[in-house]
Amino acid sequence: AQKVTQAQTEISVVEKEDVTLDCVYETRDTTYYLFWYKQPPSGELVFLIRRNSFDEQNEISGRYSWNFQKSTSSFNFTITASQVVDSAVYFCALGSYTGANSKLTFGKGITLSVRP
Amino acid sequence: DTAVSQTPKYLVTQMGNDKSIKCEQNLGHDTMYWYKQDSKKFLKIMFSYNNKELIINETVPNRFSPKSPDKAHLNLHINSLELGDSAVYFCASSQDRGTSGYTFGSGTRLTVV
Repeated sequence: AQKVTQAQTEISVVEKEDVTLDCVYETRDTTYYLFWYKQPPSGELVFLIRRNSFDEQNEISGRYSWNFQKSTSSFNFTITASQVVDSAVYFCALGSYTGANSKLTFGKGITLSVRP
Repeated sequence: DTAVSQTPKYLVTQMGNDKSIKCEQNLGHDTMYWYKQDSKKFLKIMFSYNNKELIINETVPNRFSPKSPDKAHLNLHINSLELGDSAVYFCASSQDRGTSGYTFGSGTRLTVV
C-alpha cells in the first residue's frame, strides 16, 4: 500500500525566513514518482516538481529546493527567503504504477502562512 | 487554451438531487481521473479511465457514476446527493500512466444543502 505522511500540519513564518516542508513516503514499488503541488487560496493545484525513484539528485529552482533521500524515504521541500505569496497548502504525492493503474496518493497537506 | 477544464466551477444543490460535472482535456492524454478533496483538504482518487475504459474505482458509492464518451472527456454524475458529498472535485489527466506528470483542472466546488 502506498502512503504519504506530512507530519507538519500548519507552519507559520515571517517573510524572508527559510522553511522546510517534510514528506515521508511508503511504497513497495521499485519504480515510483514523487511530486509536490501547491494549492493557493484560489484553490487550483499547481504542479511544482516531479522526481522519479532512480534520480536522487537534489533540485533547485529559484527559491525552491528539494531534497530526495531514498534511504529515509523522504522528499523534503525548502523555500528560501519565503514571501507572502508562498502562503498556500502544499501537498506531497506519490505516483504508483501497477499494470494499467496509475494514481497519485497524496499526503494530508501542510498549510504554510507567511506573515509580512 | 485551458488544458483541463471543468464545468461548472461552483455547484450548489439540494439533497436528493442528481447533478453532473463535466471535464475535458485538450492535451491528448490517454488517462483521466477524478479526485475528491474533502473539507479537511484531503485529496483522494475516486476513478481513473484509460482510453474510455474504467481502470480504478476506489470504493466510491455507486451513486457516483463516471462516464467517458471519448478519451478527451470524463464526466461525473452523482445521484441522490447527500450532505457528505460536499467537497471540491478535481479532474486530472496524464499520459504514459502518469510518469510524465498529471495535469489538474481548477476544481468544482460542490455544496449540498
